[in-house]
Amino acid sequence: AQSVTQLDSQVPVFEEAPVELRCNYSSSVSVYLFWYVQYPNQGLQLLLKYLSGSTLVKGINGFEAEFNKSQTSFHLRKPSVHISDTAEYFCALNTNAGKSTFGDGTTLTVKP
Amino acid sequence: EAGVVQSPRYKIIEKKQPVAFWCNPISGHNTLYWYLQNLGQGPELLIRYENEEAVDDSQLPKDRFSAERLKGVDSTLKIQPAELGDSAVYLCASSPGLANTGELFFGEGSRLTVL
Repeated sequence: AQSVTQLDSQVPVFEEAPVELRCNYSSSVSVYLFWYVQYPNQGLQLLLKYLSGSTLVKGINGFEAEFNKSQTSFHLRKPSVHISDTAEYFCALNTNAGKSTFGDGTTLTVKP
Repeated sequence: EAGVVQSPRYKIIEKKQPVAFWCNPISGHNTLYWYLQNLGQGPELLIRYENEEAVDDSQLPKDRFSAERLKGVDSTLKIQPAELGDSAVYLCASSPGLANTGELFFGEGSRLTVL
């Protein structure tokens, strides 16, 4: 069985400040890791993904994440946030069997 | 390229009434998923189709929920009868197929309110 834990349910931050959204996972098999963003009343959109290779992956809107196998983490970072980054962020994993597991989400609120 | 299309976007019904949601995946995507998203939680898989075959429906409450994907393209999710606890967002997603790494393409969701 696999699981995803997002360590912070809410993250408030001021505009132009850096932000880190934390994600830990558990799995007995190899995984692919994803971050999705959900704006109000919309579906989820892919921000970035780790499949293999370089542990630092870059995504859309200036976000990046680092895969750390020893710590089973996949934290999302952005060096300078904008008001428009206010949204719900979901960490997810997928296995070769095609099963996706999502975390409960982190609400990022960017304040002016 | 058109994305995943879902309808209706919003539905309000009385408890014990039936309701149906429709999803049209991205063209060429063989895998289709229905997810349930409760407020403040991440999506939870209800059912996954590979073409027209339901390959994972272990989390679908089969006493009241049913789904079909007759021609391996669009899909319908039905609830009959609806209960108060079914109020949630029902998300449809698709992906290219078995060799896929798990990236999902989501529709905008169908928000159900049961009164």
